[in-house]
Amino acid sequence: QKEVEQNSGPLSVPEGAIASLNCTYSDRGSQSFFWYRQYSGKSPELIMFIYSNGDKEDGRFTAQLNKASQYVSLLIRDSQPSDSATYLCAVIGTGGFKTIFGAGTRLFVKA
Amino acid sequence: GAGVSQSPSNKVTEKGKDVELRCDPISGHTALYWYRQSLGQGLEFLIYFQGNSAPDKSGLPSDRFSAERTGGSVSTLTIQRTQQEDSAVYLCASSLDQGKETQYFGPGTRLLVL
Repeated sequence: QKEVEQNSGPLSVPEGAIASLNCTYSDRGSQSFFWYRQYSGKSPELIMFIYSNGDKEDGRFTAQLNKASQYVSLLIRDSQPSDSATYLCAVIGTGGFKTIFGAGTRLFVKA
Repeated sequence: GAGVSQSPSNKVTEKGKDVELRCDPISGHTALYWYRQSLGQGLEFLIYFQGNSAPDKSGLPSDRFSAERTGGSVSTLTIQRTQQEDSAVYLCASSLDQGKETQYFGPGTRLLVL
C-alpha cells in the first residue's frame, strides 16, 4: 500500500463545473495536509493546507479532511481552463518533517 | 524577495560520472528538502535538513547519493557514479521551519544520464 494514494486521472470536467480530487493516506498519526498544483514542466506551488477535521475554504477552493477515514479532498468550484494541471496531495507524517507526496491527479477543464 | 534557486537548470552527463546539484533556499528558511520527480511521477522524498543537520536520510536511494548543507543556507546534492535510472528532475524546497510550514519549491534541475 502506498503511503499517499491519489487517482491518477485524468479527470475531465467542463468549464464552470465542480472538480473533486481525492487522496487517502496510511499514516494515522499524520497531522499536516497540503494540496499543491503543478503545471506541466513547472514546480509545484501550494494551493491549500489543512490541519483540522472539517472543511477549509479559500476562494474557489475547499479542502476537506477526515482523519478517522484518513481521507483528504480538494474541491474546485467554477472550474476554469487555467485550473488544468496536476494536483498533488502531500502529507507530513508522524515525526513532523518527512513529507510524502501522492503521484498526483491530472485535471483537464474543457472550455 | 528572491525565491528558491537551483543550479544548474539542466545537466547532461555520462553514466559513471559524478554530478553536484546546488540549492539556494529562501533567506531565513531553516528547513530544506530535496525531492526527485521522474517523468509523469509524483515527488519522491530524498532528504530533509533542519539547519545544517539531516535528521532523516532514509529517502536517499543508495549510498551513491549524499547531501550536505552549510551555514544553514546552501545545500548540495551529490550523485556519484551516475546511472541512467538517476535521470529525473531534482527539486529543492525550503520552508520557514519544519512540520506545518508551506514548502516553496525551486525550478528544479533536470538531470539526464546517457
